[in-house]
Amino acid sequence: AQSVTQLGSHVSVSEGALVLLRCNYSSSVPPYLFWYVQYPNQGLQLLLKYTTGATLVKGINGFEAEFKKSETSFHLTKPSAHMSDAAEYFCAVSLSGGYNKLIFGAGTRLAVHP
Amino acid sequence: NAGVTQTPKFRVLKTGQSMTLLCAQDMNHEYMYWYRQDPGMGLRLIHYSVGEGTTAKGEVPDGYNVSRLKKQNFLLGLESAAPSQTSVYFCASRGSLPSYEQYFGPGTRLTVT
Repeated sequence: AQSVTQLGSHVSVSEGALVLLRCNYSSSVPPYLFWYVQYPNQGLQLLLKYTTGATLVKGINGFEAEFKKSETSFHLTKPSAHMSDAAEYFCAVSLSGGYNKLIFGAGTRLAVHP
Repeated sequence: NAGVTQTPKFRVLKTGQSMTLLCAQDMNHEYMYWYRQDPGMGLRLIHYSVGEGTTAKGEVPDGYNVSRLKKQNFLLGLESAAPSQTSVYFCASRGSLPSYEQYFGPGTRLTVT
């Protein structure tokens, strides 16, 4: 069965510092991987996705993630945090085909302080 | 385009009451989903639909029913609300393959007292 683990329910960084949000998944077949962001009192917005091809994926707002099959990881990074990055981030996995159910991690709340 | 919209945004119910949440999308998407979001648990799939007139159970379907009479609408019903159904409910939709991105609505915050 698929599952997603996000290490750290809360992460705090200084403005301008590196952002690293960790995501590990378990899947018996190569999955499709997603990062979503949720700002307060809003729905989820897709940051980036990996389906096939290049394992380093660039998304919106300067975020990127690298799919590492050997480590079953899909960590999200941003070189320099901005105050507006404060939000909750969800990693999700889906198998190809079918109805593409998304399995979500528990989420990581990112705080950015001056 | 409005994308995915949800009605209502907030609702307070008493135990045993019923209600229907409405999700509408204007992207002509085939697939629609209902999730619930609870603290520390991410989002969990309640029910989904792969097309007009079809529905299926997700991970946590108990206590909910759904209908998809029109392609653009996906309704989630609670026949007899329980406090355990206090949650934030999100609707999402997705187009046909090769698109895998789900588009989410703004959510409905439901409190059952």
